[in-house]
Amino acid sequence: AQSVTQPDIHITVSEGASLELRCNYSYGATPYLFWYVQSPGQGLQLLLKYFSGDTLVQGIKGFEAEFKRSQSSFNLRKPSVHWSDAAEYFCAGYLNTGTASKLTFGTGTRLQVTL
Amino acid sequence: DGGITQSPKYLFRKEGQNVTLSCEQNLNHDAMYWYRQDPGQGLRLIYYSQIVNDFQKGDIAEGYSVSREKKESFPLTVTSAQKNPTAFYLCASSIKYGELFFGEGSRLTVL
Repeated sequence: AQSVTQPDIHITVSEGASLELRCNYSYGATPYLFWYVQSPGQGLQLLLKYFSGDTLVQGIKGFEAEFKRSQSSFNLRKPSVHWSDAAEYFCAGYLNTGTASKLTFGTGTRLQVTL
Repeated sequence: DGGITQSPKYLFRKEGQNVTLSCEQNLNHDAMYWYRQDPGQGLRLIYYSQIVNDFQKGDIAEGYSVSREKKESFPLTVTSAQKNPTAFYLCASSIKYGELFFGEGSRLTVL
């Protein structure tokens, strides 16, 4: 079965510190991979996406993610976290299998930023 | 500005009532989706539609119904058959594989 796993439910970092949020996927083939961010009570916003090619992808708000096929991972990183980055982050995968294709989300990681 | 509009933002329902959540998009996207979000469970797909007059069940369709009569609109009805309807509901649309644009959500509470 297709699945996306985010091992960390909650992470706390200090403002200015670096951040890495983990994401692992399990698919029969390499899926398209995404990171979304959700502020409290709001919808989700796309941060970045990986379809193919360069394994290091840049996104909005200074975020980047690295695709590692050998580890089935797509971890999200940011060199220096700002207080406004506090939110919930979702990793998602999509495999095009025709009409049944759909996006599968991980359960999310809530990021808390301390000042 | 193009985007997705969900209404109402907050909705209260008595047990046994059906309620309909509205979702309208002006992005000219073919595909539209409804997700349910509960704390600690991420997003679960209720229904999706890839084209007008066609839709498919997602992972948790029981107790819900949808229609897609216009490209711009994809309303979700939460029926009395849904045993635990209190949740945050998100509508989304897409033009590319997996790249979704989300509305602001509707929070449904059963009294």
